[in-house]
Amino acid sequence: AQTVTQSQPEMSVQEAETVTLSCTYDTSENNYYLFWYKQPPSRQMILVIRQEAYKQQNATENRFSVNFQKAAKSFSLKISDSQLGDTAMYFCAFMKGGYGGATNKLIFGTGTLLAVQP
Amino acid sequence: EAGVVQSPRYKIIEKKQPVAFWCNPISGHNTLYWYRQNLGQGPELLIRYENEEAVDDSQLPKDRFSAERLKGVDSTLKIQPAELGDSAVYLCASSLLDLFPEGTEAFFGQGTRLTVV
Repeated sequence: AQTVTQSQPEMSVQEAETVTLSCTYDTSENNYYLFWYKQPPSRQMILVIRQEAYKQQNATENRFSVNFQKAAKSFSLKISDSQLGDTAMYFCAFMKGGYGGATNKLIFGTGTLLAVQP
Repeated sequence: EAGVVQSPRYKIIEKKQPVAFWCNPISGHNTLYWYRQNLGQGPELLIRYENEEAVDDSQLPKDRFSAERLKGVDSTLKIQPAELGDSAVYLCASSLLDLFPEGTEAFFGQGTRLTVV
């Protein structure tokens, strides 16, 4: 079974600074996808960034980038130039690739609460 | 375009009472998910539909939970009877799986916060 671990329950960063959120996962699969979702107080989960395991290049989306270390099963999220609107819970998630009932199912970590301070 | 719509946003019920949640996915999305999120935890999948068919309901407590997705569009999730431990946020999500379904992005609604007293 796959597991996702986020070891930082809470993080704090000053506005305009850079912060890195950690995530590790455990799987025996070779075909999978990794995601970072943001959950603000409105509770709606919003996709921040995704990474295909078969791609060596780290994904980037504007101020958000990942450090994907496949051998170490590590998938950290870096937020540059932090903004007050980045304050939210951040969840790392795993999805098995391929076909069948176990695919297209997100397995989430326990989340990291990020507070951006003015 | 409207996103995933869920109702109600909040529900407070007494234990042993029934409760139902409703979800309207994004138009054209053939796959629908129900997740449960306990306080301080990440969401966990309860059931996944592809069109009208439940293709993964292994985590759904079938003694008290039921779900349906008539006509492959809207879905309802029901709990009967509710227990104190059912207090959580229930999230609905949808996605479009086509010929290349791998890693398809799921779009989430705002969830229903259920409190059982």
